[in-house]
Amino acid sequence: SAVISQKPSRDICQRGTSLTIQCQVDSQVTMMFWYRQQPGQSLTLIATANQGSEATYESGFVIDKFPISRPNLTFSTLTVSNMSPEDSSIYLCSVDGPYTGELFFGEGSRLTVL
Amino acid sequence: AQTVTQSQPEMSVQEAETVTLSCTYDTSESDYYLFWYKQPPSRQMILVIRQEAYKQQNATENRFSVNFQKAAKSFSLKISDSQLGDAAMYFCAYTGNAGNMLTFGGGTRLMVKP
Repeated sequence: SAVISQKPSRDICQRGTSLTIQCQVDSQVTMMFWYRQQPGQSLTLIATANQGSEATYESGFVIDKFPISRPNLTFSTLTVSNMSPEDSSIYLCSVDGPYTGELFFGEGSRLTVL
Repeated sequence: AQTVTQSQPEMSVQEAETVTLSCTYDTSESDYYLFWYKQPPSRQMILVIRQEAYKQQNATENRFSVNFQKAAKSFSLKISDSQLGDAAMYFCAYTGNAGNMLTFGGGTRLMVKP
């Protein structure tokens, strides 16, 4: 199984600021996925990040708000821009496992926006 | 679009007893995959069990088993001999044959009473 490290694990941010979350995987992976988990809710896919190409965003998420970088096969970042209290969530990085639909997850980054 | 529904926001079980978590889904595809993921309080999601829709036999992983009813689009998780460490959020998830996106249910919080 892949080991996924996320930084920061939690942060408290001020409204209007931006924060970048880092995701490091201990092996090379083709696709990395970013999910959002709002308080008490399920996971929603933000975008899929392939190395060397633009991230693919799901409906309701835009690049200006959630820019993603994928500089190599083991690393990705997600930036939450111009934050508002509605952005308070856990943001999870994940990668494909060996079987169809299986995902390995990082521990998540809990953001609180004041 | 595929949807996944978990009708039980919370469940509780006595230690050593058996509990069943419900999940229904909606899809027009004939080939797909279903999963149960566990999210303990530490937040890292892990895969509990997976089921390929083309397999009639229900998947089993130690104390965890599923009841997959394809015609009814039902996919319940049974946990036998419940342990304190089973306390977590459980998410039912679906992906189509392409396996390129997981759709999660709303989750069920399982409490285990000593």
